[in-house]
Amino acid sequence: QKEVEQNSGPLSVPEGAIASLNCTYSDRGSQSFFWYRQYSGKSPELIMFIYSNGDKEDGRFTAQLNKASQYVSLLIRDSQPSDSATYLCAVIRSWGFQKLVFGTGTRLLVSP
Amino acid sequence: ETGVTQTPRHLVMGMTNKKSLKCEQHLGHNAMYWYKQSAKKPLELMFVYNFKEQTENNSVPSRFSPECPNSSHLFLHLHTLQPEDSALYLCASSQSDRATNMGQETQYFGPGTRLLVL
Repeated sequence: QKEVEQNSGPLSVPEGAIASLNCTYSDRGSQSFFWYRQYSGKSPELIMFIYSNGDKEDGRFTAQLNKASQYVSLLIRDSQPSDSATYLCAVIRSWGFQKLVFGTGTRLLVSP
Repeated sequence: ETGVTQTPRHLVMGMTNKKSLKCEQHLGHNAMYWYKQSAKKPLELMFVYNFKEQTENNSVPSRFSPECPNSSHLFLHLHTLQPEDSALYLCASSQSDRATNMGQETQYFGPGTRLLVL
């Protein structure tokens, strides 16, 4: 079982719609969760992090965390073509020297 | 542009060459990392330097050799690489708490070096 699982996509949504990206993780002791965005040929850039159960909103982005179900999601409201990228979910696992473990990413395509 | 820079941005090398990748962070962080990103695979952590000391090596082949002369600079020395080593090599930095050994929280990435081994 992968430590962090994401659907590779592509997830296609029309401009203006809500894009919903999901991620599940295996380490029940994980405490910190991150969403990175990576444009093709570029490096990952941090969008949001979330530590507590529930929702965290930042502009058009909302991160949702459910530790009991071990999933974290990212909602993008009013999706724009410029949001087209790969979204990486990352989790800090609770054992060993803490390490940021990445999923393979979900590719999002927003069509005009 | 982030506070983490990498050079070169692109590199083509033969299997017998020796080259080095350079990373510099301007964020005042005390932890630095090398990652490898290959197509269809998650980011793979290669090396971690915390307070200039190497704290993790995920069984990376010896043809990759890291060097961290100070908390702002990180190198990855390459020699006798294989074609399967072709990938995007990313450097990242973060602020680590020595007292709690909490680290690798929010990491900031450099632009990466696209490496092609022929």
